[in-house]
Amino acid sequence: SQQGEEDPQALSIQEGENATMNCSYKTSINNLQWYRQNSGRGLVHLILIRSNEREKHSGRLRVTLDTSKKSSSLLITASRAADTASYFCAAITGANNLFFGTGTRLTVIP
Amino acid sequence: EAGVAQSPRYKIIEKRQSVAFWCNPISGHATLYWYQQILGQGPKLLIQFQNNGVVDDSQLPKDRFSAERLKGVDSTLKIQPAKLEDSAVYLCASSAAERLGTQYFGPGTRLTVL
Repeated sequence: SQQGEEDPQALSIQEGENATMNCSYKTSINNLQWYRQNSGRGLVHLILIRSNEREKHSGRLRVTLDTSKKSSSLLITASRAADTASYFCAAITGANNLFFGTGTRLTVIP
Repeated sequence: EAGVAQSPRYKIIEKRQSVAFWCNPISGHATLYWYQQILGQGPKLLIQFQNNGVVDDSQLPKDRFSAERLKGVDSTLKIQPAKLEDSAVYLCASSAAERLGTQYFGPGTRLTVL
């Protein structure tokens, strides 16, 4: 399978803490994206990092990419209750296909 | 801009029945995708269209699933006949070629097969 895997599968933190999620993938990629999915809803694109980039920031989000280890991490700083959702990494191959990981379920406790 | 529209939002059918889902992508987006998301898992690509042509349908169970995008805009995904294991959320997404694969997802159709 070309799907990635997120780690941990579930994460529960207090509001204000930082949340770190990791993703590993198997294939060569053009870029890697992170998506968020609220319960019962569609996925929302959060951030994209190209294969030649190592780190990217967007607001409270920080993404790193290590292509030698085929891994990425998503850091959410100063978490809020509204950040409670499932987070998926998606590896983008040359055909512009997304191969999603299994997701990390984040719960932020107010 | 208007997002990706999908209908119906929910569907309950019995096994061996047929069902169809509809998707209207974001205006101007040439690429359209259908995904199957089983509870607790990440989405799995079923089929990708570029305009009205199929780019990738390698993971589409072609004995029972079919999809079309006749005019390069709207798309329908059909399951005939449905099996219990087809219970899932079916997500439609679209992308514009210049956005390096960023995909915009619809709300999905939750299918329950009894």
